[in-house]
Amino acid sequence: DAGVIQSPRHEVTEMGQEVTLRCKPISGHNSLFWYRQTMMRGLELLIYFNNNVPIDDSGMPEDRFSAKMPNASFSTLKIQPSEPRDSAVYFCASSTLRNTIYFGEGSWLTVV
Amino acid sequence: DAKTTQPNSMESNEEEPVHLPCNHSTISGTDYIHWYRQLPSQGPEYVIHGLTSNVNNRMASLAIAEDRKSSTLILHRATLRDAAVYYCILPGSNYQLIWGAGTKLIIKP
Repeated sequence: DAGVIQSPRHEVTEMGQEVTLRCKPISGHNSLFWYRQTMMRGLELLIYFNNNVPIDDSGMPEDRFSAKMPNASFSTLKIQPSEPRDSAVYFCASSTLRNTIYFGEGSWLTVV
Repeated sequence: DAKTTQPNSMESNEEEPVHLPCNHSTISGTDYIHWYRQLPSQGPEYVIHGLTSNVNNRMASLAIAEDRKSSTLILHRATLRDAAVYYCILPGSNYQLIWGAGTKLIIKP
C-alpha cells in the first residue's frame, strides 16, 4: 500500500521565491497534518485538517505560509515569499481520527 | 496540554534490551500514551501506544506504571537499525500529538 506521498523531496530556492509543497495522504484517512522540523525547534505542528477543513492553524508561522486541502487526496503548503529561516524539513502526515499517524518522507527545503 | 519528559540520549549495546523511560505526571485519565521513532533522514514512524495495561507488538513492549505517571518503552533485543530518536507523546487539544525533544538512542556494536 502506498504511504503518504510528498513532493518535492528536496528543493533549493532563492529568497523571495514562492515554494509549493505537495502531499497525497493515505486513501481513506480523513485527517491531514503539516509539520516542520528544524534542529533548533524540533517537530512543530503547522496546521491540521479534518475532512478537508482546517481545524487548527495556530502553528502557521505567519501570513507568508498558507495551506489548502481542495479534496481528500491532495494538500499543498505554500510559502510566499520564502526566507532563509524557512529552511527545514516539512512533513505531511495523515490518519483516521484518533488513530496512528503516518508520516511521509518529508520535503527538505533550503532557501538561500 | 499534558507534557512528557524524556532523557536527551541513551546508549545501549547491540543485542541487549533497552528500556526508554518517559515521565508524564500531568496525564489525564483518558489520554493514550504514544511512542514514535524517527530514524535518520526519515519521517517519524509509529511504534506502540497504550492506555493502562502493558502492551506488546512486534516492534516493542510498553510498560505503563499503575498510576500512569510514567511509562517505559522496551526494545527486547536492540539492533543497529533501532538507532533513532524515540518520542513519548500525549495527545493535546483536537487530538494533536504534542511532540517533545525525544530520546536519541545510540546502539553500540
